[in-house]
Amino acid sequence: DVKVTQSSRYLVKRTGEKVFLECVQDMDHENMFWYRQDPGLGLRLIYFSYDVKMKEKGDIPEGYSVSREKKERFSLILESASTNQTSMYLCASSLQKGVTEAFFGQGTRLTVV
Amino acid sequence: AQSVAQPEDQVNVAEGNPLTVKCTYSVSGNPYLFWYVQYPNRGLQFLLKYITGDNLVKGSYGFEAEFNKSQTSFHLKKPSALVSDSALYFCAVRDEGGYNKLIFGAGTRLAVHP
Repeated sequence: DVKVTQSSRYLVKRTGEKVFLECVQDMDHENMFWYRQDPGLGLRLIYFSYDVKMKEKGDIPEGYSVSREKKERFSLILESASTNQTSMYLCASSLQKGVTEAFFGQGTRLTVV
Repeated sequence: AQSVAQPEDQVNVAEGNPLTVKCTYSVSGNPYLFWYVQYPNRGLQFLLKYITGDNLVKGSYGFEAEFNKSQTSFHLKKPSALVSDSALYFCAVRDEGGYNKLIFGAGTRLAVHP
């Protein structure tokens, strides 16, 4: 079974803190994604990566950055957390070839106070 | 622009009755469509996908989806609902920009009552 693991289930951070969300996948997938989930808005793509050290902006990249130093690991960074970044964050991975589904981690519920 | 719409915020069904969760899409090329389910405080689980071929796609947990090109719809169905099917359901379409990026609908909450 594909496993996508996010480092924290729940996180509480203060406004202005630098926040790191970590994601690891064990299936040698080329693509990795960070989504943000908010009620009534579904999932919105923040950033994705199709190879090591390669990244592309998604629909809502402002206030976020990412890092992919190894194929299995994709990190989301909030440079200076703000209360409007309180949300559920979901990491996913997928193969690059063909039309394939994405596999999701369990999510990190981040609260910024 | 590509998009997915789920017109119902919530669907209520009695246990044992058939259920339908609606999804419509807008793409310029061939649509590649997906359904996912999310249980409380969990990530998304893949249910099924449509790539090409038979318009009726069978998936996990007894779910199926019907692709209708003329109506640009991809409704999720199950002949007999279970209380344990209560969850949040997301429809998605593959982004035409590639990389298997997905564009998601807003989600529909399914409540199955005993």
